[in-house]
Order: sequence, then C-alpha cells, then structure tokens
Amino acid sequence: AQSVTQLGSHVSVSEGALVLLRCNYSSSVPPYLFWYVQYPNQGLQLLLKYTSAATLVKGINGFEAEFKKSETSFHLTKPSAHMSDAAEYFCAVSSTGTASKLTFGTGTRLQVTL
Amino acid sequence: DGGITQSPKYLFRKEGQNVTLSCEQNLNHDAMYWYRQDPGQGLRLIYYSQIVNDFQKGDIAEGYSVSREKKESFPLTVTSAQKNPTAFYLCASSPTGGYGYTFGSGTRLTVV
Repeated sequence: AQSVTQLGSHVSVSEGALVLLRCNYSSSVPPYLFWYVQYPNQGLQLLLKYTSAATLVKGINGFEAEFKKSETSFHLTKPSAHMSDAAEYFCAVSSTGTASKLTFGTGTRLQVTL
Repeated sequence: DGGITQSPKYLFRKEGQNVTLSCEQNLNHDAMYWYRQDPGQGLRLIYYSQIVNDFQKGDIAEGYSVSREKKESFPLTVTSAQKNPTAFYLCASSPTGGYGYTFGSGTRLTVV
C-alpha cells in the first residue's frame, strides 16, 4: 500500500519569498514521487519527478524537490515566489516496477500576495 | 502534438440521465485512468485500464462504467445510479513503468 500526506491545505507567501510545500509518503517498496500543478479549471501538469536517480530533482518554473528517505519526505521548494505560481499543487506516489498507478495527496493551494 | 483530449469541457446532466465523457490520447500509452475531483478531496480514482479490453475498478467506481475497445480511447459513462455526479472529471494516461501521468484538461459535469 502507498499513500501521501500533504501538510497544509492552504499556504500563503509574499511575492519573492521562499515557497515550501510539504509532502510525506508511505510506501512498502522504493517509490517514485511526483509533484503536479493545477491551475483553475485545467488538468494537472507535471512539475517534477523522482525515479531513484539523483535525490535533488529540478523541475519546471524554478521548482525543485529533495527526496529524503530517512524522513519519508519529498518537499517542494522554490527560492522566490511569483504571482503566476498561485495554483493548487499535488504530491503523488507510485510503486517502482511495472505498476504505474499513482496515489495523490489532497493538494495544497498556494496563494501569492504582493 | 501528442496529448490527451477530453470532451466536452462542460456537460450538464438531468436527473436520471446517463452521460458519457470522452477521453482520447495519441501518446501510445498503454494505461489510462479516470479521476473525480471535488473541492478539498483531491483526486479519487474511478476506473483504470492497463491494456485494451481490460479495466479495473478504482476507489469510487459505483455509478460509473467504462470501456476500452481501442488503445487510444477510454470513455466514462456516468449512470443514473451515481447520486452525486457534479464534479470535475480528469482523464490521464501513462506508459508502463511508473513514470507518471499525462492529464487531459478535464470535463466539468453539473446536474441540473
């Protein structure tokens, strides 16, 4: 069984401030981990993914995430928030191997203020 | 460009009516998925299919049905048995190997 927990359903930051969105996972086998972003009334877009290579993963739009096995975490960060980063962010986990089904967290809505 | 197309973007259903949501992909992906999204509940898996002519129930399959007659297509029918169908529906596809999904742009279904 696998699951993810996203801490904080809403996060608010000022423009230019650090963005930190938290994700903890549970998996009985080595996981693949993903972050997706969703803008209103749109589908989800892949930001970045960890597939057992480098533990620090860089994604699009200046986001990155670090896989920490000891903490079972995969937090998403961005050094400087931009107004266009306001969206909902989902963390997801899947098992390695042939299985491809993802389990999603409940999402974190990021608000960016001036 | 390769991608997933969901149609229609908005759909209105009368009480007691069945409606079908379309999902087509040209990515040559083997697996396809349907999710339902409600505010504050994240994404919940309805059905998924890993090969043609085979599909499995997800966490909330009651009141829904699917078919997978072609690799490219995975339509979802919302039946009259689904008592609360108003939601945003997302279709996704993936290659085998667990490397993540590509999503369509969604269909917003409203019961009137």
